[in-house]
Amino acid sequence: GNSVTQMEGPVTLSEEAFLTINCTYTATGYPSLFWYVQYPGEGLQLLLKATKADDKGSNKGFEATYRKETTSFHLEKGSVQVSDSAVYFCALSLSGSRLTFGEGTQLTVNP
Amino acid sequence: SQTIHQWPATLVQPVGSPLSLECTVEGTSNPNLYWYRQAAGRGLQLLFYSVGIGQISSEVPQNLSASRPQDRQFILSSKKLLLSDSGFYLCASAREGGEKLFFGSGTQLSVL
Repeated sequence: GNSVTQMEGPVTLSEEAFLTINCTYTATGYPSLFWYVQYPGEGLQLLLKATKADDKGSNKGFEATYRKETTSFHLEKGSVQVSDSAVYFCALSLSGSRLTFGEGTQLTVNP
Repeated sequence: SQTIHQWPATLVQPVGSPLSLECTVEGTSNPNLYWYRQAAGRGLQLLFYSVGIGQISSEVPQNLSASRPQDRQFILSSKKLLLSDSGFYLCASAREGGEKLFFGSGTQLSVL
């Protein structure tokens, strides 16, 4: 079956630190890959996506590259801010909007 | 873009009581609709999805049911709540044929 495995949290960083949240996937086919973000008390929002191998999704300083050879889609940001504190979900889709999500990684950025 | 209205924001219910959570969608027609549950310390679990009025698919056996009486209305129900039904429930919508999900702000359900 299809699955997404995320780096376990919580992750705590100081402001301006470099962020990496690992995500690997298993899929029977060629999925689209996503990162969603959930700010405290809210629903999820799409952060970025990539639809084929070697594509790089980017938004708000975050980046992730679709690596087919390692079945990975790691999320990175060069300099995090306090406002980036949230839960980050990696997800895949093989069929439209029916997504399989990872377990989420809680990020806390301290000033 | 789509707007998802979900209510109530928080709900405390006794074990054995009924449940009805409502979700309505603006900004699109004939969306695919989803109910997810996010249990404390765990990820998102897809509970139900619907591709049209009256069409409901269940992902996991459970104490809950879903209905879609109108194109942009999706309801999550239970006849008798269990303690294990506690969690954060999220409604989501996607344009027909699209991949991007739009989420509501969620309902925090506590069953006591």
